[in-house]
Amino acid sequence: GAVVSQHPSRVICKSGTSVKIECRSLDFQATTMFWYRQFPKQSLMLMATSNEGSKATYEQGVEKDKFLINHASLTLSTLTVTSAHPEDSSFYICSASGLRGYGYTFGSGTRLTVV
Amino acid sequence: GNSVTQMEGPVTLSEEAFLTINCTYTATGYPSLFWYVQYPGEGLQLLLKATKADDKGSNKGFEATYRKETTSFHLEKGSVQVSDSAVYFCALSEGGNTGFQKLVFGTGTRLLVSP
Repeated sequence: GAVVSQHPSRVICKSGTSVKIECRSLDFQATTMFWYRQFPKQSLMLMATSNEGSKATYEQGVEKDKFLINHASLTLSTLTVTSAHPEDSSFYICSASGLRGYGYTFGSGTRLTVV
Repeated sequence: GNSVTQMEGPVTLSEEAFLTINCTYTATGYPSLFWYVQYPGEGLQLLLKATKADDKGSNKGFEATYRKETTSFHLEKGSVQVSDSAVYFCALSEGGNTGFQKLVFGTGTRLLVSP
């Protein structure tokens, strides 16, 4: 079946630094990538949607300059948290979809801790 | 807007007990409905889905029926196991299961199964 590899699984960074999270579709072409954020004991909140080769569409309230999304190829999308602060600590999950009704395939998530 | 409402958890059961996790939705059009499961420290995995009214999704002993008249998609399992302990998310997507539309998630229900 479709597989999405997400890395890193855990990362701890200092406040003010930037962190990049990668999601790769291993056996299909991901035309659309969704990036979610999950706070402890809460549901997933969609942050942005990106289509290959286009600028990402951000949900209301999500700072596009802080959460940079790049979807330059059909197999790779990245989320960069710039100038991270402790309140950015969260669980970030990507979800990819391809052509012909693949549906949604989720990455395993990245737990970001900003200290 | 579209929304999904799930029963609050945690749901605590003994092994071999019957499980029901309620899920109701509000949506325009004809959404597809999903149940996802999240094991500790992992991303989401699709458990089952239904794409039209009266469809029954099933997998690993879990079942859910798409009830348009009651706008519900309750998750059931006849006999739970300790390994079923996880967080379960109900979700909907408009436009079918093509993967081009974003998913709207419920808040999740934590299931704890004791031996």
